[in-house]
Amino acid sequence: DAGVIQSPRHEVTEMGQEVTLRCKPISGHNSLFWYRQTMMRGLELLIYFNNNVPIDDSGMPEDRFSAKMPNASFSTLKIQPSEPRDSAVYFCASTEGASTEAFFGQGTRLTVV
Amino acid sequence: AQSVTQLGSHVSVSEGALVLLRCNYSSSVPPYLFWYVQYPNQGLQLLLKYTSAATLVKGINGFEAEFKKSETSFHLTKPSAHMSDAAEYFCAVSVRGTASKLTFGTGTRLQVTL
Repeated sequence: DAGVIQSPRHEVTEMGQEVTLRCKPISGHNSLFWYRQTMMRGLELLIYFNNNVPIDDSGMPEDRFSAKMPNASFSTLKIQPSEPRDSAVYFCASTEGASTEAFFGQGTRLTVV
Repeated sequence: AQSVTQLGSHVSVSEGALVLLRCNYSSSVPPYLFWYVQYPNQGLQLLLKYTSAATLVKGINGFEAEFKKSETSFHLTKPSAHMSDAAEYFCAVSVRGTASKLTFGTGTRLQVTL
């Protein structure tokens, strides 16, 4: 398996633009997590899905952020409109069933100028 | 709610020396504990995990950690550092039932010198 695949790896956008980050979990995994990593706040859980259903989105910073999982093999994290303070590395992770190991993608480095 | 505290944002050791990275946790219920490693421009990779079996947990690359409930600690050790161990290390906690919903510490950057 290729692991968790995120795209793009790098994204530079202007303030006010819409940004969409993509994630393909490992085949057969039924839980998917979005994390954000910044120097100031470290690694924070934004939202997680179980069987494509959002379970906990309490970490989503504000209404500008939204996430979807239309099927078991794809998820998006959208920021609209983007702001410079959204600049961070966004990680997607997936797990299988009750497994305690989360597999992480390589992340998307977002820069909002 | 659960949390972890990693003491020391930067640790520097000589090659061949003992590596000790400290992690203390807080949890109202028995926790699951993890150590992840992150190499530059990479995602996180699981080093080892404690899920209520043996308190001394062995992981990859020669690392191990010991769960000490009385001290609420889960320190990471390696007897002899190698240059390739230079990376950032994260301690994380979760609770049973949401085992992969991780709360991370702030990370410790390990530097290995000749």
